[in-house]
Amino acid sequence: TQLLKQSPQFLSIQEGENLTVYCNSSSVFSSLQWYRQEPGEGPVLLVTVVTGGEVKKLKRLTFQFGDARKDSSLHITAAQTGDTGLYLCAGALSYNTDKLIFGTGTRLQVFP
Amino acid sequence: DADVTQTPRNRITKTGKRIMLECSQTKGHDRMYWYRQDPGLGLRLIYYSFDVKDINKGEISDGYSVSRQAQAKFSLSLESAIPNQTALYFCATSDPRGTGYGYTFGSGTRLTVV
Repeated sequence: TQLLKQSPQFLSIQEGENLTVYCNSSSVFSSLQWYRQEPGEGPVLLVTVVTGGEVKKLKRLTFQFGDARKDSSLHITAAQTGDTGLYLCAGALSYNTDKLIFGTGTRLQVFP
Repeated sequence: DADVTQTPRNRITKTGKRIMLECSQTKGHDRMYWYRQDPGLGLRLIYYSFDVKDINKGEISDGYSVSRQAQAKFSLSLESAIPNQTALYFCATSDPRGTGYGYTFGSGTRLTVV
């Protein structure tokens, strides 16, 4: 079973701080996605990265796909309380693959 | 209305009971999935279906069964519930262009087996 390991597992920071979450695997993925899940809700897709080395920005969130397409990172600049939630990465072995492999999750708490 | 609707939202059941979780979607997608979420384990795939006549086991299908009644409906059953099936269950659909384009999840069913 392929595993996507995320680190850290928990992160508690003050509003305004920066943070980075990592997603690592020994498998090569054709694409990698990041989701955010809030309490009582299902995960919501934030971004998909496809090309090795690709960087995508979504307001204060920066996503990077590793050159070898085995890892990814999510960087949040000047965190806000609204960023609080569970962040999940998920990898697809191919565009036509039948299922995603989900990471173990990083729970982020941002305090005012 | 939500794109993917799960019912019930919460359920408490006794060990040994049969229980069904329901999922319906309005996105018109063919591919549907059932996952369970446990703390520290992420999301694990139980079953998935590519169309009404197609059912596939995921990595943790033992103790579960599914029914794809229509393109829009995909139900998950626990034949004889046991306490270690206590978890958060999610239904999802995937973009017809391919799994790499992302999933749309329902809001989940929190199941407690006592």
